[in-house]
Amino acid sequence: QQPVQSPQAVILREGEDAVINCSSSKALYSVHWYRQKHGEAPVFLMILLKGGEQKGHEKISASFNEKKQQSSLYLTASQLSYSGTYFCGTKTTGANSKLTFGKGITLSVRP
Amino acid sequence: DVKVTQSSRYLVKRTGEKVFLECVQDMDHENMFWYRQDPGLGLRLIYFSYDVKMKEKGDIPEGYSVSREKKERFSLILESASTNQTSMYLCASSLNAGELFFGEGSRLTVL
Repeated sequence: QQPVQSPQAVILREGEDAVINCSSSKALYSVHWYRQKHGEAPVFLMILLKGGEQKGHEKISASFNEKKQQSSLYLTASQLSYSGTYFCGTKTTGANSKLTFGKGITLSVRP
Repeated sequence: DVKVTQSSRYLVKRTGEKVFLECVQDMDHENMFWYRQDPGLGLRLIYFSYDVKMKEKGDIPEGYSVSREKKERFSLILESASTNQTSMYLCASSLNAGELFFGEGSRLTVL
């Protein structure tokens, strides 16, 4: 089942912060975050595993709340280069789970 | 530098034609995937493979088949292309259950 991402779109000015959410109705084993810039391939940002850990990548960090089956991606002091579509992918617990991506969120950072 | 190469960036085919989309990776990855990307629908998994000559259905396998005769190559086949298969097709590979490396994509138009 496809995870739900929110909000649908984000527009912010350079230097502002943003939060992107990803939620599932099923018990999750892992959450994967990718960013795709216009006309390019998706690029890996980070993976969070069951256990509620928080990870960071430059000024982008993420958390995973396994009780709520949710993950949030935090973009701090956004830069123009952060613009793109952000996808979360989830794997559920249980055997043979596939990575299923959400619909993506378009984030635009303006000068 | 790791690389996933998709043979054609743009293809235009006619309804009923057989279409081959080729993907080659140079990272000796066991796992390879074919996704379809459509506006508003995100990345949807068509087929994947965990080993040579092995394949498993993803979420939307209908109308597609795949072939993996060599570890580095994973082909997506549309036996009889239809207009609703007009889309961006993304190939990806991974070493284990972690980071996916995506190709640049193949934009297929079926007339």
